[in-house]
Formats: sequence, C-alpha cells, structure tokens
Amino acid sequence: EVQLVESGGGLVKPGGSLRLSCAASGFTFSSYSMNWVRQAPGKGLEWVSSISSSSSYIYYADSVKGRFTISRDNAKNSLYLQMNSLRAEDTAVYYCARTMTTVTTLWFDPWGQGTLVTVSS
Amino acid sequence: SYVLTQPPSVSVAPGQTARITCGGNNIGSKSVHWYQQKPGQAPVLVVYDDSDRPSGIPERFSGSNSGNTATLTISRVEAGDEADYYCQVWDSSSDHPYVFGTGTKVTVL
Repeated sequence: EVQLVESGGGLVKPGGSLRLSCAASGFTFSSYSMNWVRQAPGKGLEWVSSISSSSSYIYYADSVKGRFTISRDNAKNSLYLQMNSLRAEDTAVYYCARTMTTVTTLWFDPWGQGTLVTVSS
Repeated sequence: SYVLTQPPSVSVAPGQTARITCGGNNIGSKSVHWYQQKPGQAPVLVVYDDSDRPSGIPERFSGSNSGNTATLTISRVEAGDEADYYCQVWDSSSDHPYVFGTGTKVTVL
C-alpha cells in the first residue's frame, strides 16, 4: 500500500523555524517527484513546493520563496520541508503528496494525512 | 498566474446528480484533475486527466472539460459524497505551475 506519513508540525512563534518530514512507503520513492501542499484553517488548498526525483529541479510558491527549503533523502524514503522566518499566515495543515504524470500534465496522488503548523505568539 | 473559479456550494438530494464546475481561461486546452476532501481528512483524487478515474473510485464520478469550463459530475449522489471538491491544473508556462480551484462544498440534502 502506498503511504505517506507527515510529522514535525506544532506550535511555533513568529520568526521561528520548524522542519517537517514525510515518510514514504509502498512505492519506489526515488522515482517520483514530491510536493508539499498546505491548507489554512477553513481555506482552500495551496501548493507550496515541489522537488524532482533526483532533487535536480525545485520549485516554490512566491509566498514561501526564500523562507522555505524542500529536500529529500532517497536512501531514507523521506521528504522534508525546512520552514524559517515563519509568519502567522503560514498557519496551516501541511500535506505531503506524490506527483503523478502523463506526457502533458501532473497531479497529486496520494496525499499524506497532514501535519498542523500553528504560528502564534 | 492562472485562475480557477468554482461555485462555493452545490446542494443536491440523494439519488440526484451533482455537477461541479471549474472555470478557467481556455481550460479545455489543459488537463483537469479533481479531489474530494471530507472534513478532517486529506484530499483524495477522484478524477484525473479530465475524465479518468483512479482505481477504487465509483463510476458515479465522471469528468468533462471543454472551452472555459470543466465539470465534475456525481451521479446517484449518496450521503457519503458530502465533501469539499477541488479542481486542479498544471500550468506548464508558469513558475507557479500547480493551480487549485477555490473549492466547492457539496451538501447532500
């Protein structure tokens, strides 16, 4: 069974840092691009960052560029998100999701259960 | 960046058909994917590449895409279909390539 399990969320003060992890199992992790997607309380889905299978290509949403760093360890089947200079507006559930592709498009499947990050003083 | 617009809510009686639209400029030229999210749960893919269903998704879920509107259709709606639904496209020309719709809350009356 393909499974993604996030961890590392919690309460942090504005300006603080947090590192999220996503443990993957049930598929060849090193063959897939991976992503972080977040959802603020009561709001919609927002793509945060993507990383290619070999870490050669990395993309960020403008809202987190320069503050967040995505990385992966294929030997450990793990995805990470280092979040620095956190702001109240970063408060959200953060989901890890695998990229699925055809020649012309990409989508997310499956998703992890999410981990809650709360930025508050 | 590319914008996808969905109606905030759709209400439907059990056994009837729910249609959820996703509007975008010439969206028919892109592939659209749909996710179902029940309260307190992670999103689940229900339709990909306009009209394909992942394994385990009932045939009651179908998709179409043409012109400026993509549509997710849920036939013979059940109480368990009550959820938020999001469309998504990949905009290869953008540095913000993954775009989600605003989301639609489906209420089963």
